[in-house]
Amino acid sequence: DIQMTQSPSSLSASVGDRVTITCQASQDISNYLNWYQQKPGKAPKLLIYDASNLETGVPSRFSGSGSGTDFTFTISSLQPEDIATYYCQQYDNLPRLLTFGGGTKVEIK
Amino acid sequence: QVQLQESGPGLVKPSETLSLTCTVSGGSISSYYWSWIRQPPGKGLEWIGYIYYSGSTNYNPSLKSRVTISVDTSKNQFSLKLSSVTAADTAVYYCAREYSGYDSSATRGDYYYYYMDVWGKGTTVTVSS
Repeated sequence: DIQMTQSPSSLSASVGDRVTITCQASQDISNYLNWYQQKPGKAPKLLIYDASNLETGVPSRFSGSGSGTDFTFTISSLQPEDIATYYCQQYDNLPRLLTFGGGTKVEIK
Repeated sequence: QVQLQESGPGLVKPSETLSLTCTVSGGSISSYYWSWIRQPPGKGLEWIGYIYYSGSTNYNPSLKSRVTISVDTSKNQFSLKLSSVTAADTAVYYCAREYSGYDSSATRGDYYYYYMDVWGKGTTVTVSS
């Protein structure tokens, strides 16, 4: 099974800061990596799919990059409404199995 | 737009079977994958499994022996059964639609990509006697 190591588990940053979260896969997953945002008491929301594609309607301050085993999620200028937990999610192929990273809780300093 | 709604008992006794249904409204269940995901209190997300509208399934290996996911296209619903539950199965259970797209590039060749773009609000299931 493919394991996803997401770091950090939590971070505190100021409004306007650049925030970076990383996800590392235990083996090559090409670009099969998505990023979700989950606010307290709410369902997750898709932000980035296929490593770097911005979901329609998602602000452009969110971005993703990487391929193979190492992936990065970036908020270019942190806003108060970005307070949430962020998860990466990968999928194998044949059979297609899904795994989430452990999550990163983002707070305002 | 498409909406998902989970339903089922909020309390299940240990060793019994947890049963949930996800009703799809505003769109067809056809041509998509449909997943169940859970989140224990204060913890992260865990994928349980998915079903294609045609009925093919894949499950999380750690839960495979206890999980059954089925689909009823006539009712636009899909369901989850998790047997022999314990307190560790206490969680918020989400259903989600998984979109699949196709693309082609010089570096990757032809490929499909997948992502969960529509989620239910979640339902809390507590396992307790």
